[in-house]
Amino acid sequence: QAQLVESGGGVVQPGRSLRLSCAVSGFTFSTYEMHWVRQAPGKGLEWVAAASSEGYNKYYADSVKGRFTISRDTSKNTLYLQMNSLRAEDTAVYYCARGTLRGGWFDPWGQGTLVTVSS
Amino acid sequence: SYVLTQPPSVSVAPGQTARITCGGNNIGSKSVHWYQQKPGQAPVLVVYDDSDRPSGIPERFSGSNSGNTATLTISRVEAGDEADYYCQVWDSNSDHYVFGTGTKVTVL
Repeated sequence: QAQLVESGGGVVQPGRSLRLSCAVSGFTFSTYEMHWVRQAPGKGLEWVAAASSEGYNKYYADSVKGRFTISRDTSKNTLYLQMNSLRAEDTAVYYCARGTLRGGWFDPWGQGTLVTVSS
Repeated sequence: SYVLTQPPSVSVAPGQTARITCGGNNIGSKSVHWYQQKPGQAPVLVVYDDSDRPSGIPERFSGSNSGNTATLTISRVEAGDEADYYCQVWDSNSDHYVFGTGTKVTVL
């Protein structure tokens, strides 16, 4: 069955960069829109970014636009999130999730990776 | 931006019915999806496209959507249903995905 495994989280200072990865298996990666969703400690879910199935179209939440970049490598079955100019408010568990058609639902989700932005 | 409002908490006795609302402007014109999240775990899709269930989700979970309110109904509630629940839609105006504020379901 479909599996998604995130990695790359950790503690980083404000203003620095971090790259998250999401390795997928069990489905044809190139045919699905893929997403990053985050959850700050004790808070709700926030959609962060999406990449279309072929990778050409990318979409971002206003809170990360211009700082975060989503990308995908079909040869490696991997989704990425490059996070620059990190702020304390970016501290969260970051989940990758498989989308469906544009505007659909997220299923399944990875287990998440924790990013802590702190000096 | 589009806003989805959920009650912070719902309490229900075992065997009873829990109803979780998700309010949004003309949400009935959108497709609504629901997720269950237990402590320390990733969210799990329980209802999609207003009222469809993924394979493996019990029939006790059902959904409806009309007007300005979508509802997730959990029938014959069990202790294992205790979790946070989130609704989600796609806002075509902003091309953004939006989650509700979340509802904590407590089984008494």
